Amino acid sequence: NAGVTQTPKFRILKIGQSMTLQCTQDMNHNYMYWYRQDPGMGLKLIYYSVGAGITDKGEVPNGYNVSRSTTEDFPLRLELAAPSQTSVYFCASSYSSVVSGNTIYFGEGSWLTVV
Amino acid sequence: DQQVKQNSPSLSVQEGRISILNCDYTNSMFDYFLWYKKYPAEGPTFLISISSIKDKNEDGRFTVFLNKSAKHLSLHIVPSQPGDSAVYFCAASAGNFGNEKLTFGTGTRLTIIP
Repeated sequence: NAGVTQTPKFRILKIGQSMTLQCTQDMNHNYMYWYRQDPGMGLKLIYYSVGAGITDKGEVPNGYNVSRSTTEDFPLRLELAAPSQTSVYFCASSYSSVVSGNTIYFGEGSWLTVV
Repeated sequence: DQQVKQNSPSLSVQEGRISILNCDYTNSMFDYFLWYKKYPAEGPTFLISISSIKDKNEDGRFTVFLNKSAKHLSLHIVPSQPGDSAVYFCAASAGNFGNEKLTFGTGTRLTIIP
């Protein structure tokens, strides 16, 4: 059981370039999330989705876009990369709301550096 | 505005002793709290949670205590083992107030000394 898989694991981008972080889960989870973690900081929610076709902004959505065309996939698009987007990105999923006792499962992270 | 605070960036504990990790929060609407554990180069993994209707939840060597009046929670690990060395994140949610999104603290790096 692969769980939450995100690619690429490492990437260096030049300022102004665009890229997509891919995320897929094989647990048939309804909820999916993208977080970023800056050095010495906690995880901050970028975007989340409660089901296919439904997305919503989190705490730090600026500079990012997402789509949820299938239950399994939740790609994160960076447009016009900036040095401030240098971070570790985590995709995650859960069957339903975490406050209903559902566990959030995280991917292994994607290290992105913008130079 | 850091609504969930872990004021100790690091903690070292002797193997076999108790590890106590602390977390404070400022948002009185938080009603569900979780602890996550993270090893280097891996994603966080869920450890234990507690609802605001409880003041204690226990799971094996891990116990979480919640003091709502002080807006404080703590994670106790006893006995501590070398495999417990990791970064621990406290997280909170205001689910009953319509905001299910998790707010994370900055983490505490726990090192267990053999």
